[in-house]
Amino acid sequence: AQSVTQPDIHITVSEGASLELRCNYSYGATPYLFWYVQSPGQGLQLLLKYFSGDTLVQGIKGFEAEFKRSQSSFNLRKPSVHWSDAAEYFCAVGPPWGADGLTFGKGTHLIIQP
Amino acid sequence: DTAVSQTPKYLVTQMGNDKSIKCEQNLGHDTMYWYKQDSKKFLKIMFSYNNKELIINETVPNRFSPKSPDKAHLNLHINSLELGDSAVYFCASRGSANTEAFFGQGTRLTVV
Repeated sequence: AQSVTQPDIHITVSEGASLELRCNYSYGATPYLFWYVQSPGQGLQLLLKYFSGDTLVQGIKGFEAEFKRSQSSFNLRKPSVHWSDAAEYFCAVGPPWGADGLTFGKGTHLIIQP
Repeated sequence: DTAVSQTPKYLVTQMGNDKSIKCEQNLGHDTMYWYKQDSKKFLKIMFSYNNKELIINETVPNRFSPKSPDKAHLNLHINSLELGDSAVYFCASRGSANTEAFFGQGTRLTVV
């Protein structure tokens, strides 16, 4: 069965500091990986995705993620966080298309301190 | 134009009532989903609907029933609402290979 683990429930980072959010997955086939962000009271917005090719993917809002097959990881990074980055971050894994949908991690709540 | 839209955004209702949440996507996607986000923010898939094939998560009570009048719509009907049904429900859609899922803004259901 597929699963996603986000080991950090909460992370607090100072504004301007770097950020890394961890994600580990278990998936029986080639994984298609995603990071979504959810601001309070909002829906989920895609930050970036990995399907194949270059293992370092760039996303919106200055985020990037690196796929490491040997570690079954897809960690999200940002070199310098802004107060507006405070939100809930979800890692997800799924098939390339179709009815199986995405399996989400439990999320990491990011707090930005001034 | 909003890609995936849900109505209503908020729904407060009494136990035992029947309610529906509507979802529409204008992306031309073949597959639509309903997810439930619980109070701890955990997202779990409830249903997916792909080319008239319905796949049900076996943990979903049969009080929940999706209805798809056409490819662009997937509504969620809930019978005999219970306190434990209180959650945020997200509709999503996904297209052809190598694309992401697009999510609606969510419907916060509160059962009192």
